[in-house]
Amino acid sequence: AQSVSQHNHHVILSEAASLELGCNYSYGGTVNLFWYVQYPGQHLQLLLKYFSGDPLVKGIKGFEAEFIKSKFSFNLRKPSVQWSDTAEYFCAVTPHSGGYQKVTFGTGTKLQVIP
Amino acid sequence: ETGVTQTPRHLVMGMTNKKSLKCEQHLGHNAMYWYKQSAKKPLELMFVYSLEERVENNSVPSRFSPECPNSSHLFLHLHTLQPEDSALYLCASSQDQLETEAFFGQGTRLTVV
Repeated sequence: AQSVSQHNHHVILSEAASLELGCNYSYGGTVNLFWYVQYPGQHLQLLLKYFSGDPLVKGIKGFEAEFIKSKFSFNLRKPSVQWSDTAEYFCAVTPHSGGYQKVTFGTGTKLQVIP
Repeated sequence: ETGVTQTPRHLVMGMTNKKSLKCEQHLGHNAMYWYKQSAKKPLELMFVYSLEERVENNSVPSRFSPECPNSSHLFLHLHTLQPEDSALYLCASSQDQLETEAFFGQGTRLTVV
């Protein structure tokens, strides 16, 4: 069975600081990888996704993530965070051929950005 | 706004009550999902419907009963719930169940007293 680990449960940063949120997964086959964001009181929305190709994926709002297959990791990064990035971030994985019915989410990381 | 609407946004119910959660999407999607989001736990996929047929049921207790009358609507019927069932229940939809991007509603915050 697949699993996703997000080791940082709560991160506090000052504005303009750089961000890196860890995501590690375990699965024996090829995967699709996602980062979702949930702003306070709002719905989950997709930040970025990786299916294949360039392991460095750029998403919305200046976020990017790098898939490192050898490390089973898909860490989320942003060079300079803003107060508006305060939210909860979820990493998710699906088998490459399994589709969304086989999705597994991590426990989430709460990011608090201090002005 | 994602095009997936859930009602009610908040619900408080007693353990002997019967209530229903509603989800509606007008995105033309064929697959719909129910998730449970509890504090400090991963999002749990509960049910998957594709073309109004249930294709996945992840060992969810029978006190949760889904219904998908058409491809635009999904319900979650609740009866004799326990306090540990208190959580945020999220609905999502995607083009089909093999699609790798889903759109989420804002959720229903359920409290069982």
